[in-house]
Amino acid sequence: QKEVEQNSGPLSVPEGAIASLNCTYSDRGSQSFFWYRQYSGKSPELIMFIYSNGDKEDGRFTAQLNKASQYVSLLIRDSQPSDSATYLCAVGNNAGNMLTFGGGTRLMVKP
Amino acid sequence: ETGVTQSPTHLIKTRGQQVTLRCSSQSGHNTVSWYQQALGQGPQFIFQYYREEENGRGNFPPRFSGLQFPNYSSELNVNALELDDSALYLCASSFKGADGYTFGSGTRLTVV
Repeated sequence: QKEVEQNSGPLSVPEGAIASLNCTYSDRGSQSFFWYRQYSGKSPELIMFIYSNGDKEDGRFTAQLNKASQYVSLLIRDSQPSDSATYLCAVGNNAGNMLTFGGGTRLMVKP
Repeated sequence: ETGVTQSPTHLIKTRGQQVTLRCSSQSGHNTVSWYQQALGQGPQFIFQYYREEENGRGNFPPRFSGLQFPNYSSELNVNALELDDSALYLCASSFKGADGYTFGSGTRLTVV
């Protein structure tokens, strides 16, 4: 059973701080990695995807991938109260037809 | 450009009944995937449809079935409903080979 693990949180950070969200996965052959944000009662919204080792930046968000350690992270700089949500890590299979999601990390940004 | 739309938004059914959930994919998207999200958990893959055929299935029993129509819209059917089927059902569309999926707002199914 391929697994994706996340700390459920809540992760609490003050406004303006950097939030660091982490995810590990079990399938060493995985090639595609996604971060989704889900507000309470809403559907997941794609934030970023990453395929290659290293960092990928998009605005206040940076995704980091380390395939050797089977580890993906998401950094949110200058965290805002509106960033308070559950962040879901998802790993794509090689066929490209399925995402395996972690259980999500709840982030709380305090004003 | 319209997004992914799902209907109904909420549904209450009795154990043993059957239910059909509907999804219209985003314009230009030819692939539809269905996910089940239980409360407090991440979404779990049910199946994907591409060109009206099933293109991958997760660990769900045969009483979960689906269809995709020529306009790429899709249905999820669940027979013999069980209490554990209570969840948020999410439809996601994409263009095959594209990065990531666009999710609809979901159908909240409650089985009593």
